[in-house]
Amino acid sequence: QKEVEQDPGPLSVPEGAIVSLNCTYSNSAFQYFMWYRQYSRKGPELLMYTYSSGNKEDGRFTAQVDKSSKYISLFIRDSQPSDSATYLCAMGLENTGGFKTIFGAGTRLFVKA
Amino acid sequence: ETGVTQSPTHLIKTRGQQVTLRCSSQSGHNTVSWYQQALGQGPQFIFQYYREEENGRGNFPPRFSGLQFPNYSSELNVNALELDDSALYLCASSEGLAGGSEQYFGPGTRLTVT
Repeated sequence: QKEVEQDPGPLSVPEGAIVSLNCTYSNSAFQYFMWYRQYSRKGPELLMYTYSSGNKEDGRFTAQVDKSSKYISLFIRDSQPSDSATYLCAMGLENTGGFKTIFGAGTRLFVKA
Repeated sequence: ETGVTQSPTHLIKTRGQQVTLRCSSQSGHNTVSWYQQALGQGPQFIFQYYREEENGRGNFPPRFSGLQFPNYSSELNVNALELDDSALYLCASSEGLAGGSEQYFGPGTRLTVT
């Protein structure tokens, strides 16, 4: 079983739709939860990060973490064609061995005009 | 655009050769992490450097090694290249260990091994 599971999609939605992206994880020691957006042939771009369970909102994006269920989500409101990209969830862990980040495989999102 | 730069952009090598990839971190960042991203996959953590010392390593063999310099720029070295090493190599910089969650990625180096 992978430490982080993410549906690769593709997910296709019409412009203006609410998009829901999800990841599950197996390691309860994860401390940091991140969402990145990656356009084709580019490096990942940090969208949101959080340290705790609950919701965090930034403009059209809302990140949700449920540590008890080991489940995180990213919601995109009023989706735009420019949101078409691969969305990567990531979990971070810091211990005596240092810091490591585990990424999901990414979900490809297409927003149709 | 982040302030993280990587060179070269693309590279083609032959199996068995050695390669060095370079990364300049964003101003004020003293931590650099390296990742390997195969086509259609998420990035896989290779290792992290903090103040010139390795601080965490993923499941990669010793032929993957690195350096961080006093100006916090970094190199990734891969010896005895294998076909499976073909991937996008990403570096990410952050400010200190506690800021590891706020990593800013460079555009990557695409390595092809033939």
